[in-house]
Amino acid sequence: SQQGEEDPQALSIQEGENATMNCSYKTSINNLQWYRQNSGRGLVHLILIRSNEREKHSGRLRVTLDTSKKSSSLLITASRAADTASYFCATTGNTPLVFGKGTRLSVIA
Amino acid sequence: EAQVTQNPRYLITVTGKKLTVTCSQNMNHEYMSWYRQDPGLGLRQIYYSMNVEVTDKGDVPEGYKVSRKEKRNFPLILESPSPNQTSLYFCASSPTRTNSPLHFGNGTRLTVT
Repeated sequence: SQQGEEDPQALSIQEGENATMNCSYKTSINNLQWYRQNSGRGLVHLILIRSNEREKHSGRLRVTLDTSKKSSSLLITASRAADTASYFCATTGNTPLVFGKGTRLSVIA
Repeated sequence: EAQVTQNPRYLITVTGKKLTVTCSQNMNHEYMSWYRQDPGLGLRQIYYSMNVEVTDKGDVPEGYKVSRKEKRNFPLILESPSPNQTSLYFCASSPTRTNSPLHFGNGTRLTVT
């Protein structure tokens, strides 16, 4: 299995601060995706980065990918209380999408 | 509106009583998948389907069945539910298997007593 592993498991920050979450994986990938999950709801896709890309931006989100280290990071800038959620990375290679266990982010107003 | 619809949202049942959780998508996606989510274990894939009449086991298929008779529907069947199948279940779909984002349903919280 090429399951990604997010780090840290939980993160608590003040509103306005930046939040950084990391994802490590074990095998070669086609792409890596980040998802957000509000409590008990379905996951929502945030951003997809392909294996030949190093960085991608979407609004306040910045994702980096280092295939040599088999790792990715998700940066949320100027966090808001509404960013409170669990964040998952997911990788695809020769098998369908495999999810990590997630980072639980709490943004305190 | 493009969406993945799961029903029911909540279900409480007893051990051994067959049940079906329905999943339907209106985006003409080829790929559909079922996941279960349990505390501390993340999302684990149960079954997936790459197209009509094509289904494959995921990581935790035991105790589950699926079918894909039409492109839009991908029901999850528990022939004889057991308490260890108490979980939060998600259906998801995407245009292709590997390089497309997944669209998730809102989940079905199943309790088996």
